[in-house]
Amino acid sequence: DSGVTQTPKHLITATGQRVTLRCSPRSGDLSVYWYQQSLDQGLQFLIQYYNGEERAKGNILERFSAQQFPDLHSELNLSSLELGDSALYFCASSVSAATSYNEQFFGPGTRLTVL
Amino acid sequence: GENVEQHPSTLSVQEGDSAVIKCTYSDSASNYFPWYKQELGKGPQLIIDIRSNVGEKKDQRIAVTLNKTAKHFSLHITETQPEDSAVYFCAEGNNFNKFYFGSGTKLNVKP
Repeated sequence: DSGVTQTPKHLITATGQRVTLRCSPRSGDLSVYWYQQSLDQGLQFLIQYYNGEERAKGNILERFSAQQFPDLHSELNLSSLELGDSALYFCASSVSAATSYNEQFFGPGTRLTVL
Repeated sequence: GENVEQHPSTLSVQEGDSAVIKCTYSDSASNYFPWYKQELGKGPQLIIDIRSNVGEKKDQRIAVTLNKTAKHFSLHITETQPEDSAVYFCAEGNNFNKFYFGSGTKLNVKP
């Protein structure tokens, strides 16, 4: 158990809908990262937050947005869902902001299925 | 990932043999190279990492080597065991907080 929690574990929805995925980082970690894992594209870095502020952006679509709240939990919002958005979404956390200096701990993931 | 190429995509070895997975990167600013293991139904877990000021790092049966000139790094697992069977990902990060994963290698260790 990494100490990172994600809810829900599974999510099934229809195209055009909007969903929110939630992540609670390990106690003491200030950075939260979101990743998308699909069969054909592996693990794609989406976005990073550090202590409530956006720190780095990866391949995140404009239909997706995220935020980190004062209690450090984070939410990833996915809107106007398409079939291709079906994937595993992972959240990771780390102590500091720099990706090159500290280990990221991954949660168990949320499996999103868009029908 | 767009910056990291990982090979092979699948690897099957006999228990007790060694396994080697290789990654190449293109960004000269990359300075951190972790390896993650992902078991079925779980999130990736860090198994070893190396920073750009070091050429090799070893932790029991696992070792990582880095060739900065050639821009490639490798994971070496010796005396493989069935519980080593999983998907392994390399990744690279830099001071600008861009973090990219390789496409993964599915390792199967046959008893």
